[in-house]
Order: sequence, then C-alpha cells, then structure tokens
Amino acid sequence: QVQLQESGPGLVKPSETLSLTCAVSGFSISSGYYWGWIRQPPGKGLEWIGSIYHSGSTYYNPSLKSRVTISVDTSKNQFSLKLSSVTAADTAVYYCARGKTAAVDYWGQGTLVTVSS
Amino acid sequence: QSALTQPPSASGSPGQSVTISCTGTSSDVGGYNYVAWYQQYPGKAPKLMIYEVSKRPSGVPDRFSGSKSGNTASLTVSGLQAEDEADYYCSSYAGSNNLYVFGTGTKVTVL
Repeated sequence: QVQLQESGPGLVKPSETLSLTCAVSGFSISSGYYWGWIRQPPGKGLEWIGSIYHSGSTYYNPSLKSRVTISVDTSKNQFSLKLSSVTAADTAVYYCARGKTAAVDYWGQGTLVTVSS
Repeated sequence: QSALTQPPSASGSPGQSVTISCTGTSSDVGGYNYVAWYQQYPGKAPKLMIYEVSKRPSGVPDRFSGSKSGNTASLTVSGLQAEDEADYYCSSYAGSNNLYVFGTGTKVTVL
C-alpha cells in the first residue's frame, strides 16, 4: 500500500521560504511515476505546484515557477518542496502526491501551512 | 494557464443521475485524452475517481463514468447515494510545462 506523509513547519513568516518534505512508503520513488505537490487554500480549489519525475526531471506550474524548487532523495525515499518569498496568498493545505499523466492516484493527508508574521 | 471551468454546484435526489461538466480549451481538455476526476470530502484529501477520460481505478463504483466531447469533459454519477455528496474536481494535462490543470470544483448535494 502506497503511503505519503508530509512534514514541515505549519507557520512561515512572509518573505521567507516554505519547506516541506514528503516521505513515501510502500513504493520506491525510483521505480517510476511523477512525485509532486498540490495545494488548496482554505475554502478554495486545487492548484498544482510542480512535480518531479523518477528520472529527476522537474515540471513546475508556470505561475509559480520562479519561486519553486522540488528535489528528490532516493536514498531516503522522499521528496521535498521549497517555495520562496511567500505571502499570505500561499497559505494553504499542501498535499504531496504520486501521479501519472494528469491523474494523481495517491495523496498525502495534507498539511496546513499558514503564512503570517 | 487558467483553471478549467466547472459549475459551482449540482444536485439530485437519491437514485437519480447528476452530470458535472468541465470546460477547457484545445490546449488542455480538447487536446489530450488525459482528463481525470476527483472526489473530495471536507477536510480530506481528494480521491481519484476517473482517469484518462473514462477509466475507473480499482474500487471505484461503476456508477461513476466519464466522457469527453471537444473541449468539455463530463462526470456522470448514476444512482446517486448519500455518500456521493462531496466536492468534485476535474483535471487535465496541458502539455509538458503544465502537467495538471485543475477545475474550479463542483459541490454535489444529494437532496
């Protein structure tokens, strides 16, 4: 059974960098699929942030590309998100996820990150 | 890349059918057979219900079906049950620089 678990600070100050990690169990990241991040502001819809392929290729939402870095650590079977220069608009539940083309088949439980001083 | 357009709400009585639309452009929904649908309960992560326009993952009831015509995809829930009351989101592939474009979401109410 594939399981994903997000971890990281729940509160980040404006202008700082949001950092989250997703630990994967039940499946080796190196074996395939896209691994990525999706967020959902409170009461709003889903927004894809970016993904990394098992080969290491990265894909980012064009609207966030300048602020996003996604990396993978295959030795720990986990991947990470860094979002720089955050503002209150980045407050959201952040999900890590496994996907194939246009379909996310496994999701983490989500973690709320609030941007506030 | 704009979000795909879904109606804010849809409803039906138990046993009836409800269809949700997801309208995009020729650069996303209309250009690829890569449309997915998700069900989300409050406070929970979304669940994949349909992928590649009309395929159902294992365990998803066959009451859920998907289709596409031109730039619009649709999700139909037949034989509505109380447990189908949730938010539903579509997503589409939009090219190598835009792996997932999501819809605006539809709240389905079972009357």
